[in-house]
Amino acid sequence: DAGVTQSPTHLIKTRGQQVTLRCSPKSGHDTVSWYQQALGQGPQFIFQYYEEEERQRGNFPDRFSGHQFPNYSSELNVNALLLGDSALYLCASSVELGTEAFFGQGTRLTVV
Amino acid sequence: QKEVEQNSGPLSVPEGAIASLNCTYSDRVSQSFFWYRQYSGKSPELIMSIYSNGDKEDGRFTAQLNKASQYVSLLIRDSQPSDSATYLCAVEARNQGGKLIFGQGTELSVKP
Repeated sequence: DAGVTQSPTHLIKTRGQQVTLRCSPKSGHDTVSWYQQALGQGPQFIFQYYEEEERQRGNFPDRFSGHQFPNYSSELNVNALLLGDSALYLCASSVELGTEAFFGQGTRLTVV
Repeated sequence: QKEVEQNSGPLSVPEGAIASLNCTYSDRVSQSFFWYRQYSGKSPELIMSIYSNGDKEDGRFTAQLNKASQYVSLLIRDSQPSDSATYLCAVEARNQGGKLIFGQGTELSVKP
């Protein structure tokens, strides 16, 4: 049983560019959440998708957008990249709200 | 007041000792609580979940929850050098759509 998978694992982008990160949830999970983790900090909630709709959103600007596909996989898009967007981006899947969430290996984004 | 607070550490314990990690939270209606372990450069790994007041044991790990005091802890018995990692406390924000809110993590170092 494959766990949560994310791609790519590492990415280097130039300030102002756009990036798309991808996530496939654990088998049987239909809820996908995205988090940003800066060095030395806990993960910060970006948004959550369920039934192809954004259900909850954290305190992130509109440059951060996402999508969930019918097979429950998800994408995170970030436009107009800033140096401060450099972080580990984590995808987590769960069966439903309030239940155990499992993380993928993350995507390390570096903006130069 | 932060929504989820942890001592950042580092917490240093000798091999074989009990490591005690603490977490407080502000949302009184939260019902689900989780502990994640994160090795340097890796993604968080779920190690314990707890939903009811009291203790929950799993191998060398014991999670303790006191909803009246809004306090959750993790005890690691017979600590091993391989337990050296950052431990993240996560709380389900029931009144914010069920997203997980993380503390900043406590760095644990187990000395041989």
